[in-house]
Amino acid sequence: DVKVTQSSRYLVKRTGEKVFLECVQDMDHENMFWYRQDPGLGLRLIYFSYDVKMKEKGDIPEGYSVSREKKERFSLVLESASTNQTSMYLCASSPTTSGRADHNEQFFGPGTRLTVL
Amino acid sequence: RKEVEQDPGPFNVPEGATVAFNCTYSNSASQSFFWYRQDCRKEPKLLMSVYSSGNEDGRFTAQLNRASQYISLLIRDSKLSDSATYLCVVTAITNAGKSTFGDGTTLTVKP
Repeated sequence: DVKVTQSSRYLVKRTGEKVFLECVQDMDHENMFWYRQDPGLGLRLIYFSYDVKMKEKGDIPEGYSVSREKKERFSLVLESASTNQTSMYLCASSPTTSGRADHNEQFFGPGTRLTVL
Repeated sequence: RKEVEQDPGPFNVPEGATVAFNCTYSNSASQSFFWYRQDCRKEPKLLMSVYSSGNEDGRFTAQLNRASQYISLLIRDSKLSDSATYLCVVTAITNAGKSTFGDGTTLTVKP
């Protein structure tokens, strides 16, 4: 059974704190993604990675950084948390892009609900 | 204009009803299309891929119209368990299979 796990389900932090969110997948997928999901705004891509040590900005990278030192692990860092970063954070992984539509399926972790006070 | 647009609903239907959702996309280079289902406070999960010829999986039928750039999802004989948010997802021909998600359509099936 495919599995994407995230380090925390719920997290409460204070403004200005550094926040680490970790994601691990056991499917040997090349691609990994970090999204945030907010009511009325849907899922928005923060960063993604298509290989170890590679990263690409998504649609809303400001205020975030990522690292991918190992294939199975993709970490999201909020350098200085702010209240507008209160959100549900979802990690996902997918196999390498190919002509097969089912190779683009993304598998999601359970999410981390982050509250910044 | 959003890259992927869906009618947010909510759609409230009785059990047994047939309901259809549409989704339009703006990037003509889009390659892969999916419908995901997201239950309340859970992560999205793939419901079905959408193929050019259209495809069916039990009570669910997905269709793609490349010329008009929209995809649809038809649910027949709705069940209470179909209540969820349905996300339209479009993947462009770029690295990493970067996908764009619609905001979702909420369906509530009532007894």
